[in-house]
Amino acid sequence: EIVLTQSPATLSLSPGERATLSCRASQSVSSYLAWYQQKPGQAPRLLIYDASNRATGIPARFSGSGSGTDFTLTISSLEPEDFAVYYCQQRSNWPPVVTFGQGTKVEIK
Amino acid sequence: QVQLQESGPGLVKPSETLSLTCTVSGGSISSYYWSWIRQPAGKGLEWIGRIYTSGSTNYNPSLKSRVTMSVDTSKNQFSLKLSSVTAADTAVYYCARDLSGYGDYDIWGQGTLVTVSS
Repeated sequence: EIVLTQSPATLSLSPGERATLSCRASQSVSSYLAWYQQKPGQAPRLLIYDASNRATGIPARFSGSGSGTDFTLTISSLEPEDFAVYYCQQRSNWPPVVTFGQGTKVEIK
Repeated sequence: QVQLQESGPGLVKPSETLSLTCTVSGGSISSYYWSWIRQPAGKGLEWIGRIYTSGSTNYNPSLKSRVTMSVDTSKNQFSLKLSSVTAADTAVYYCARDLSGYGDYDIWGQGTLVTVSS
């Protein structure tokens, strides 16, 4: 099973600052890596798919990069509504199993 | 737009079977993979498995022996059964649509809390 490790566990930043979140896979996942945002009491929301493609309606301040085993989610300038937990997620080809990282909480400093 | 709604008992006794249904509205269930994902309180997300509209399934190896998924295209619904539940199965259960077949979950239900307790 492919394990995804996210870092840091918590990121304390102020509105307007840049956030850089990391996701490392235990083996190559090619570009099959997605990022989600989850706020308390809500379902996750797809932000990025295929490592770098923004999902429909996602603001341009969110960007994803990486391939193979190392991936990054960048929020260029934090808005108040961006403080949340972020998860990365991959799907291996065979067997087709989905795994999530443990999450990074972006909190207000 | 497409919406998902989970339904089923909120309380299940230990050793019994958890049964949930996800109803797809605003669009067709056909030609997509549909998944169940759960989240214990204060913890991360765990993929349970997926089903295609043909009925083909893939399950999380850690849950495979206890999971059964099914689909009813005539009702635009898919379902989850998890047998022999314990307190460790207490979680919010989400259904979700896989946009690409590669785990890009673009539409989620609101989630339903299932508590396993006697």
